[in-house]
Parts: sequence; C-alpha cells; structure tokens
Amino acid sequence: KQEVTQIPAALSVPEGENLVLNCSFTDSAIYNLQWFRQDPGKGLTSLLLIQSSQREQTSGRLNASLDKSSGRSTLYIAASQPGDSATYLCAVNVAGNQFYFGTGTSLTVIP
Amino acid sequence: DAMVIQNPRYQVTQFGKPVTLSCSQTLNHNVMYWYQQKSSQAPKLLFHYYDKDFNNEADTPDNFQSRRPNTSFCFLDIRSPGLGDAAMYLCATSRFSDNEQFFGPGTRLTVL
Repeated sequence: KQEVTQIPAALSVPEGENLVLNCSFTDSAIYNLQWFRQDPGKGLTSLLLIQSSQREQTSGRLNASLDKSSGRSTLYIAASQPGDSATYLCAVNVAGNQFYFGTGTSLTVIP
Repeated sequence: DAMVIQNPRYQVTQFGKPVTLSCSQTLNHNVMYWYQQKSSQAPKLLFHYYDKDFNNEADTPDNFQSRRPNTSFCFLDIRSPGLGDAAMYLCATSRFSDNEQFFGPGTRLTVL
C-alpha cells in the first residue's frame, strides 16, 4: 500500500524567505502528484498537478518538482508572505482513482 | 464560476440518528469522491464514483453509503453516526483525462 510522508510537520519562517516543503512516497508507480493548500476548517485548494511524465510545474511563486524514481516531490515557495500561512498537503494518484494523502506541513509565515 | 458545493457546511446530529451530506458540482466532471478528514490527519478516501460506477474502499465502514443520482450530485449517507464519525467530510471531483482533483469547502459533522 502506498504511504505518503510529509516532513516537516510544521514550519515557521519570516516573511520574504524562500522555502521548500517535502513529500515522499513509497511506491513509484504513480499517475500524478498534486499539491494542495488547506486553510483551517476549510476544503482543499489545488495548487499544482504534476503528471508522472513531468519533472516540474510552476505557478506564480510556486514550483513543484517530481522525482518518481526516488519517490520524492518538493514544493518550493518563493518570497513567502503571511497569506501563505496554511497547511500544505501532497497527494499521489495511483491505479485508477486511488489517491493517498500525506498528513501535511503546517506553514506559518511571520510578518 | 465552476465549482464544487457542499451543503450544509456544518451539521450536528445525535448519536445513531441518520444524516445525509450533499455535494454538487458545476464542473461536469465524471468522477466524484467522498473523503473523511479528522483533526490533523490526512484525508481518507471513503468511496468514489466514475460516472455511475460505484467504488467502495475496502476499509470504509458499512455505516457509510453513497448515492449519485446524476452527474451533478452526490450524497453521503451515514446510517447510524457514532462519536467516532465526527469529522470534516470533503467532496471532490476530477476529470478522467488528468485526474486533477477539485474540492468543495467541506461539511463539518458533529455527533452529540
């Protein structure tokens, strides 16, 4: 069974700093990997989707990379802002419509 | 704007009293999902529909059932809620072509 791990569980950085969030998975046979943002008590907002054939995706200040062979993905956030404070989750899509989520990294950006 | 809508946003029920949560979508996606998320935990997939084909996760309790009467709507029925079923319930949709998931705002269920 696929297991998804996100380290660290919590991260606190000063505003303006660049940061990297990590996601690792145990089975490299994935269709895609998706990064989400979740604000307290809210649903998940899709940030980036990387298909298994891709190495990275970019959207604004966000860049996500995927290394299937090593079972790793990173989410890079440039020039962090207080509004970036949230929990960031990664999810891997395996056979068909099976999705496995990590428990997330709780990010706090200090003004 | 195309979106995923969940109603109600907050639901309070009594122990053992059946409850139904609703999800609708204007994205015209053919796949719909129900997840359960407990505090500080990862979302856990309960089941999904690919069009009208129902797929139940092996460890989803029998207490949970789902209906999808048409493309736009999907319902989660909890037949006899227990205290352990208190959680956030998330509905999501995706296109079969790329499986990018889009989530609704969730329904917070409280069981008294």
